[in-house]
Amino acid sequence: GAVVSQHPSRVICKSGTSVKIECRSLDFQATTMFWYRQFPKQSLMLMATSNEGSKATYEQGVEKDKFLINHASLTLSTLTVTSAHPEDSSFYICSASSGTEAFFGQGTRLTVV
Amino acid sequence: AQTVTQSQPEMSVQEAETVTLSCTYDTSESNYYLFWYKQPPSRQMILVIRQEAYKQQNATENRFSVNFQKAAKSFSLKISDSQLGDTAMYFCAFMKGHSGAGSYQLTFGKGTKLSVIP
Repeated sequence: GAVVSQHPSRVICKSGTSVKIECRSLDFQATTMFWYRQFPKQSLMLMATSNEGSKATYEQGVEKDKFLINHASLTLSTLTVTSAHPEDSSFYICSASSGTEAFFGQGTRLTVV
Repeated sequence: AQTVTQSQPEMSVQEAETVTLSCTYDTSESNYYLFWYKQPPSRQMILVIRQEAYKQQNATENRFSVNFQKAAKSFSLKISDSQLGDTAMYFCAFMKGHSGAGSYQLTFGKGTKLSVIP
C-alpha cells in the first residue's frame, strides 16, 4: 500500500505552547486528508477533513481555532495544536486518501505538561 | 448518517485456529466500501481487507476473508490459521462511494481486541 509519513511520532510540550504535526503522502497525491484523535482503548474520532487548497471542515465539537489544519499541497497536511493544555494530550493520527482507499500515518503521541 | 457496530469488544483464539469477528452497519447508500483495519500495539493502522458493495464475491487476502451479506448489512472477518502477530485491535469501517475529486471519510466501529494465545 501507499506510504504516509507522520512526524513527530512523540512530542512533549509545555502548557500554553503550540505544536505542529506533519502528515506527508510519500508516493501518491492525496486529494483529501483526515485528522483523527484516538483516546486509550477507543476507536478513532474524526476531527477534520481537508482537501488540498481548501479550508478544512471540522467535526462538531472540534475547535477550529485550537486545531489549525493546513493542506497546502497534495502531499502535505499539517495539524497545529495551539495553546496546548493537558487535556489535549492524546494520540493523533492522519490519513491520506485518493479515491476510495485511505492510508494512515504512524500517529503522534502528544503529551502536554 | 452511517453507523458501524462491532458487538465483540474482546475475543481470543488459540494459535493456528480460526476466528470470526463480527461487524454490522447501517446506511441508506447504495454505493459504498467496507474495510477491516488492524491496529497492533504499535498503533499503526494497517488495511487488512476491502470490499466493494457492488461486488457479490467475498474479498480474500491470504488468511483473511470476509463474509459480506449486503441485505443483512453484515461484514464479518474470518482469520484462518491465527498467528501471534494477528494480536491487535481490529476496526471495521465504512466509506461512501464517490464521484469526482476528493474522498469521503471512514466511519469506524468501536473495535474488537483480538488476542492470539500460544
